[in-house]
Amino acid sequence: NAGVMQNPRHLVRRRGQEARLRCSPMKGHSHVYWYRQLPEEGLKFMVYLQKENIIDESGMPKERFSAEFPKEGPSILRIQQVVRGDSAAYFCASSLGPQETQYFGPGTRLLVL
Amino acid sequence: KQEVTQIPAALSVPEGENLVLNCSFTDSAIYNLQWFRQDPGKGLTSLLLIQSSQREQTSGRLNASLDKSSGRSTLYIAASQPGDSATYLCAVPGTALIFGKGTTLSVSS
Repeated sequence: NAGVMQNPRHLVRRRGQEARLRCSPMKGHSHVYWYRQLPEEGLKFMVYLQKENIIDESGMPKERFSAEFPKEGPSILRIQQVVRGDSAAYFCASSLGPQETQYFGPGTRLLVL
Repeated sequence: KQEVTQIPAALSVPEGENLVLNCSFTDSAIYNLQWFRQDPGKGLTSLLLIQSSQREQTSGRLNASLDKSSGRSTLYIAASQPGDSATYLCAVPGTALIFGKGTTLSVSS
């Protein structure tokens, strides 16, 4: 049973480009969470999604960031017009349901030049 | 608003030493607390999850305790080894998990 998968593992973008991060949850999991880990900072919650719905996006920056979890396919975290401050590790976690144990993926490390 | 604090931020010990990592949280209305390990450049590995009804949870050389009333948890590592070197994170549930900044442990041989 494969765990949570994220790709790419490393992503380099120049300022102003778009970054797309993908997360495939564990089999049977319909709840996905995105977290960001900035250098020297802890992991911060960004957004919580269930299939086709955003449940809580209180941790998402108001501009340039968006997330989706379609009926079919992986969850996508999209960052438009990236800036150097977006450089971070982005982690995805999935769970069977709300308040269930979350399982984390290996993360995508985004570097903005 | 729930806040999670971990002390110390970094710890260096010689191999074989027993050690304690601390985690405190401001809102005691939690239903569990989880300890994770993160190796440099890697993802998170769940170590122990303590339910609010439990006071302790053990896995091998690791023992985690939870005192909700005081808003504290400790992670005890017995007979530390160089392979234990990593960052240890504690987290409590909110809408999603709320993490402390972690304790970076270095065990020298």
